[in-house]
Amino acid sequence: SQTIHQWPATLVQPVGSPLSLECTVEGTSNPNLYWYRQAAGRGLQLLFYSVGIGQISSEVPQNLSASRPQDRQFILSSKKLLLSDSGFYLCAWSVGLAGNNEQFFGPGTRLTVL
Amino acid sequence: AQSVTQLDSQVPVFEEAPVELRCNYSSSVSVYLFWYVQYPNQGLQLLLKYLSGSTLVKGINGFEAEFNKSQTSFHLRKPSVHISDTAEYFCAVSDMKTSYDKVIFGPGTSLSVIP
Repeated sequence: SQTIHQWPATLVQPVGSPLSLECTVEGTSNPNLYWYRQAAGRGLQLLFYSVGIGQISSEVPQNLSASRPQDRQFILSSKKLLLSDSGFYLCAWSVGLAGNNEQFFGPGTRLTVL
Repeated sequence: AQSVTQLDSQVPVFEEAPVELRCNYSSSVSVYLFWYVQYPNQGLQLLLKYLSGSTLVKGINGFEAEFNKSQTSFHLRKPSVHISDTAEYFCAVSDMKTSYDKVIFGPGTSLSVIP
């Protein structure tokens, strides 16, 4: 069966510090991968998606970036965090064109920028 | 462009009472529809999905939803709620023919079950 991992689970960082969040998927090959952000009391905002290694598309311009160095690894980064980067970050995967667009979510990372 | 509206941001309901969470969508093409549930500080979990066929879809935890194409709605229902149903619920829509699996999520409805 497929599983998706995210770490760390929680993170407290000062403004201006760098960020690296990692997501890995097990039990499937060539998944589509997604990063979402959920601000307090709000819905999901799609940040990035990837349909293959090294292929990253950005949905919202900001000071975040994403990379996919391996088929089942998706990394969210920032060089300098802003207060507005605080939120709950969710990674998700889907089967791709052969699937029905159902997305499977990881447990999330709670980021607090102080 | 697709969009999803969840008319109620918060729904309080007494334990063992029925509940309906409303969802309307807009799209110019055929879509897949989903309901996800999010418990505090957790990721999203799929409750149910409509792909094709019967318009009444049954999901986990006793939830069901009905797809109404003419009204572009996909309301979620449960005949008797439990305390454990307290959570955030998201309706989502996806175009059947996108080049990747882009899913548009609604803003969410917070369901609070009162003992």
